[in-house]
Amino acid sequence: GEDVEQSLFLSVREGDSSVINCTYTDSSSTYLYWYKQEPGAGLQLLTYIFSNMDMKQDQRLTVLLNKKDKHLSLRIADTQTGDSAIYFCALITGGGNKLTFGTGTQLKVEL
Amino acid sequence: ETGVTQTPRHLVMGMTNKKSLKCEQHLGHNAMYWYKQSAKKPLELMFVYSLEERVENNSVPSRFSPECPNSSHLFLHLHTLQPEDSALYLCASSQDLRQLYHGYTFGSGTRLTVV
Repeated sequence: GEDVEQSLFLSVREGDSSVINCTYTDSSSTYLYWYKQEPGAGLQLLTYIFSNMDMKQDQRLTVLLNKKDKHLSLRIADTQTGDSAIYFCALITGGGNKLTFGTGTQLKVEL
Repeated sequence: ETGVTQTPRHLVMGMTNKKSLKCEQHLGHNAMYWYKQSAKKPLELMFVYSLEERVENNSVPSRFSPECPNSSHLFLHLHTLQPEDSALYLCASSQDLRQLYHGYTFGSGTRLTVV
């Protein structure tokens, strides 16, 4: 089966950088995604990276992809209290038919 | 609004009740999905529909019954549920099953409590 793993919790101080990590086993995904889930809400697509890229920057967000190690990360610069949420990585699996999500990382931003 | 609307937002039901969750999207998407999100568990894919046809059913108990009358609407009919079925039920859609350039668009979910 497809395994997508994330650490469960991350706590950072406001203004610091956050790095959320994701490891996976199925390397065939064309795109890899990061979703954000705020309390009581659904998942919101934050950003994605094409599999032939190593890095993508989008304002405060930087996505790094290491295909050799099957490792994806999301860096949030200048983390704010509004960034507190659960972050999910996701990749295309099932022969291209579906997204498989990671276990989610709860980010807590402290003042 | 995300483009995918789920109703109701909250639902409390007894184990002998019958209720339905509704999902609606007007994004012109052809694929729709039901997910179950329980506390401290990974997202569970329950059902997948493509062009109103069910294409995946991940060993979901028969007390959950999906219905997709057209490509804009998806229902999840519930009957004789158990307390462990209490969870956040999320609906999502995508352009097509294999057109995942933009990933999935999710609704806000229905928080279900079975008492």
